[in-house]
Amino acid sequence: EVQLVESGGDLVQPGGALTLSCAASGFTFRNSWMGWVRQAPGKGLEWVANINRDGSQKYYVDSVKGRFSISRDNAKNSLYLQINSLRAEDAAIYYCCRHGNDNFEYWGQGTLVTVSS
Amino acid sequence: DIQMTQSPSSLSASVGDRVTITCRTSQSLSRTYLNWYQQKLGEAPKLLIYGVSSLQSGVPSRFSGSGSGTDFTLTISSLQPEDFATYYCQQANSHPWTFGQGTKVEIK
Repeated sequence: EVQLVESGGDLVQPGGALTLSCAASGFTFRNSWMGWVRQAPGKGLEWVANINRDGSQKYYVDSVKGRFSISRDNAKNSLYLQINSLRAEDAAIYYCCRHGNDNFEYWGQGTLVTVSS
Repeated sequence: DIQMTQSPSSLSASVGDRVTITCRTSQSLSRTYLNWYQQKLGEAPKLLIYGVSSLQSGVPSRFSGSGSGTDFTLTISSLQPEDFATYYCQQANSHPWTFGQGTKVEIK
């Protein structure tokens, strides 16, 4: 069974930083593209970033470029999202996703990032 | 960027009704990477349809997808109580991948 378990969400001040983690199991992690999707409270879904199998290709939505960094550790079956210079508009549930064929085939339950002073 | 516009934004329907949700893209999708997701309140989204019309494993056959170019449709042939949720379309034709704003299906 595919499992994706996010962690690292927290209450952070504007301008702060944190790292989200996603522990993957139940599939061959190194063979899968992975990504992050977020959902602000009461709002829709927004793709944030994705990464290819060996970490050599990374893509970001424009609003996070230069502030967010996606990475992975295939030896640890883990995906990460480093978030810097947090803004109020970054407050959201962040979902870790395993890609299928150009879709988000599996989702974790999400981790909540709150931005407030 | 490819903009995604869903209609309607919300609808009320009864159990047994046929429901159709439309997704229009701002550019023609040269590759058939148009997907649909269902999200119930308090839960993570779930993939329903991928590649315009392919049913994800385990998804009931009352769900179907169709379309081409800039116009795509999700159809629920006979609405069931467990189908009341919000539905999102999403394109993976080109980066940035984008979602529609969602369609909330409510009980009439």
